[in-house]
Amino acid sequence: DAGVTQSPTHLIKTRGQQVTLRCSPKSGHDTVSWYQQALGQGPQFIFQYYEEEERQRGNFPDRFSGHQFPNYSSELNVNALLLGDSALYLCASSSFVGQFFGPGTRLTVL
Amino acid sequence: GIQVEQSPPDLILQEGANSTLRCNFSDSVNNLQWFHQNPWGQLINLFYIPSGTKQNGRLSATTVATERYSLLYISSSQTTDSGVYFCAVEQGSGGSNYKLTFGKGTLLTVNP
Repeated sequence: DAGVTQSPTHLIKTRGQQVTLRCSPKSGHDTVSWYQQALGQGPQFIFQYYEEEERQRGNFPDRFSGHQFPNYSSELNVNALLLGDSALYLCASSSFVGQFFGPGTRLTVL
Repeated sequence: GIQVEQSPPDLILQEGANSTLRCNFSDSVNNLQWFHQNPWGQLINLFYIPSGTKQNGRLSATTVATERYSLLYISSSQTTDSGVYFCAVEQGSGGSNYKLTFGKGTLLTVNP
């Protein structure tokens, strides 16, 4: 049974560019959440998708958007990248015994 | 929003020692999870423990929901236990699948 997968592993972009990160949940999980983890901090909730709709959103600007597909996989899009967007982006899928995280995508903005 | 505080922020142990990590939260929760983040950034699930006590090998956890705290015990520590330990809580009605709010973590270093 594959766990949560994310791609790419690492990504380098320049300020002003746009980026798309991808996530596939664990088999049988239909809810996907995205988190941003800055260096030395705990993960911060960005948003959650369920039934292809954004169900909850954290305190992130509209530059952060997402999508969920019929197979429950999800994308996180960030527009007009800033240096401060450099972080580890984590995807999690939900079950009745909590959330399970993927290995993350490390985004560096130069 | 809910506040999650973890202590201590840093902990250095010799291999074989025992330790206790604490997580305090400011409001009632319907889920609490403990994670271990390895040096590559992977968050590994340790416990789903909204209340009560659970054990898994050398690790055990206790959550006292009425007093709004949880404890993670590590016994006979090994160098592979090194990393950051996070507590995360979830609020909401009607079961799970709400956002997790994380503490700032405890950085554990186990020396040989």
